[in-house]
Amino acid sequence: EAGVAQSPRYKIIEKRQSVAFWCNPISGHATLYWYQQILGQGPKLLIQFQNNGVVDDSQLPKDRFSAERLKGVDSTLKIQPAKLEDSAVYLCASSPLSGGRSTDTQYFGPGTRLTVL
Amino acid sequence: GNSVTQMEGPVTLSEEAFLTINCTYTATGYPSLFWYVQYPGEGLQLLLKATKADDKGSNKGFEATYRKETTSFHLEKGSVQVSDSAVYFCALPYNQGGKLIFGQGTELSVKP
Repeated sequence: EAGVAQSPRYKIIEKRQSVAFWCNPISGHATLYWYQQILGQGPKLLIQFQNNGVVDDSQLPKDRFSAERLKGVDSTLKIQPAKLEDSAVYLCASSPLSGGRSTDTQYFGPGTRLTVL
Repeated sequence: GNSVTQMEGPVTLSEEAFLTINCTYTATGYPSLFWYVQYPGEGLQLLLKATKADDKGSNKGFEATYRKETTSFHLEKGSVQVSDSAVYFCALPYNQGGKLIFGQGTELSVKP
């Protein structure tokens, strides 16, 4: 079974530029998560989708970050404009449903390492 | 919501040494508990999990027991290898079916 795919793996941009990350979850997984992992810290949730609806975006800086999952499969996370403090690894994860709810076990992709100069 | 506190690192051990990484949690009810591992330059991999009190999760020689009396889920391995060098994260759901809350991670370095 293929895992969670993410691209690109690395991205270097200058501040105030825009950037987009792509994620393809494990086939059949209804729930998709984007996490931000700053160096030396644990990941923190940015946004959670169930199918193509948003479940939790309370920690997403909506003035500069946006995410979509139009067909309930792939997802794109965008930052516009980027700031220095956005330098981090952006992790995508997915989980299946059980009994109509997301299971607690999440499967992570390799991440995209963003450097903002 | 739930929270987790993890032992700070870095931890440096010699090969074949015994490993313990402490993790304690605060939770409503009895959520599943997880250990994830992150090898250099890679994403998170699920190492092991336990879904109820007194459960023992195990994988690749690592073990952790869900202890509700002490609200702990300490990670142990009897004999570490150089290939175990990585960052280890303890985690639990913030609430059922939602985001995971992670500890700050413990970096393990195993020397030959």
